[in-house]
Amino acid sequence: SAVISQKPSRDICQRGTSLTIQCQVDSQVTMMFWYRQQPGQSLTLIATANQGSEATYESGFVIDKFPISRPNLTFSTLTVSNMSPEDSSIYLCSVRVGAGELFFGEGSRLTVL
Amino acid sequence: QQQVKQSPQSLIVQKGGISIINCAYENTAFDYFPWYQQFPGKGPALLIAIRPDVSEKKEGRFTISFNKSAKQFSLHIMDSQPGDSATYFCAASMIGSGGSNYKLTFGKGTLLTVNP
Repeated sequence: SAVISQKPSRDICQRGTSLTIQCQVDSQVTMMFWYRQQPGQSLTLIATANQGSEATYESGFVIDKFPISRPNLTFSTLTVSNMSPEDSSIYLCSVRVGAGELFFGEGSRLTVL
Repeated sequence: QQQVKQSPQSLIVQKGGISIINCAYENTAFDYFPWYQQFPGKGPALLIAIRPDVSEKKEGRFTISFNKSAKQFSLHIMDSQPGDSATYFCAASMIGSGGSNYKLTFGKGTLLTVNP
């Protein structure tokens, strides 16, 4: 398994501002993922973040809105840019360990006013 | 089509009863089927997972049944307890031999309530 720490755990932000979410893993992992979970909904993959290369974004998500950094094998950040109330969600960092098991952090709960 | 359909949306079970949640998938290339449990305010936690080379996997009170021909899999929770009350998500992925294309597609979730 893996221990995944996310910061902040929750935040309330104003429309038009940006927020950077940090994800720290207790071991080196090749593949890290960022998911979004809107209130009462399922999980949607935003992007895959691999160290040493640009993130790969899923359909409907763009780098200008959700820039991602992956400076090393234990850390990643996701920025939610120019936020609107529609961005209010839980943002989850996850990592792949071993034979494909995916583990999640506790999430960062974002409310945009 | 990368879609996983989960049912029911919500489920109420009495303590000691059996909870059954079903999922169906379209993409025959999927080869990894995990279930996640999520408590309010927490991230999803991996509960149990199965590969298509077996029809059933059991871990404690939790069992996955897998029907490859029907493209369906289900989670059975035996002797359900109030502490099992949570949202359960099924998921599917293509791990393949190298795992370089690993992405999970999630079902919409089932809110399970176990009454005491």
